[in-house]
Amino acid sequence: EAGVTQFPSHSVIEKGQTVTLRCDPISGHDNLYWYRRVMGKEIKFLLHFVKESKQDESGMPNNRFLAERTGGTYSTLKVQPAELEDSGVYFCASSQVRAGANVLTFGAGSRLTVL
Amino acid sequence: AQRVTQPEKLLSVFKGAPVELKCNYSYSGSPELFWYVQYSRQRLQLLLRHISRESIKGFTADLNKGETSFHLKKPFAQEEDSAMYYCALKSSNTGKLIFGQGTTLQVKP
Repeated sequence: EAGVTQFPSHSVIEKGQTVTLRCDPISGHDNLYWYRRVMGKEIKFLLHFVKESKQDESGMPNNRFLAERTGGTYSTLKVQPAELEDSGVYFCASSQVRAGANVLTFGAGSRLTVL
Repeated sequence: AQRVTQPEKLLSVFKGAPVELKCNYSYSGSPELFWYVQYSRQRLQLLLRHISRESIKGFTADLNKGETSFHLKKPFAQEEDSAMYYCALKSSNTGKLIFGQGTTLQVKP
């Protein structure tokens, strides 16, 4: 089974530019989560999709961040315009919607560097 | 408030020494706790979870509700255990994970 795939693995952009990160969850996983690790800090929750619906977006830092999951398959996370403090590693994770089995499988992460 | 605290950023031990990575949590209700590990150049992966009461790669973790702790232990560290370890708490409402700050374990030869 293919794991959670994230693209790009590393993106370097200038402040003010736009970046779109993509996550392909494991096939059949309805839960999709985005997390972020900023340098030296903990991994923080950004948002949670169940299929195409946003279940919880309480962790989204501000309106420069937009996440979508059209069709309930892959998801994108767009940062526009990017700021220096957005630099970090963005992780995607997915899981099945099944009682007692909500173990998250993580992607390798997308490293974002904003100059 | 739901919170996970890992007090040590770095833990350095010699091969064969016992290891204990500390994790304390704050949660109202019955917590579900996990340890995730990220080896160099690999993705974050589940190491173990408290409901399974299992031992993975020689590691164990016991949930202590009185002390609100979920420390990760291994009696004899190996060099291949060197990695970043994250303790995480699952919110029963949303299923999202709340992570601690992470502890880098360095096992020296």
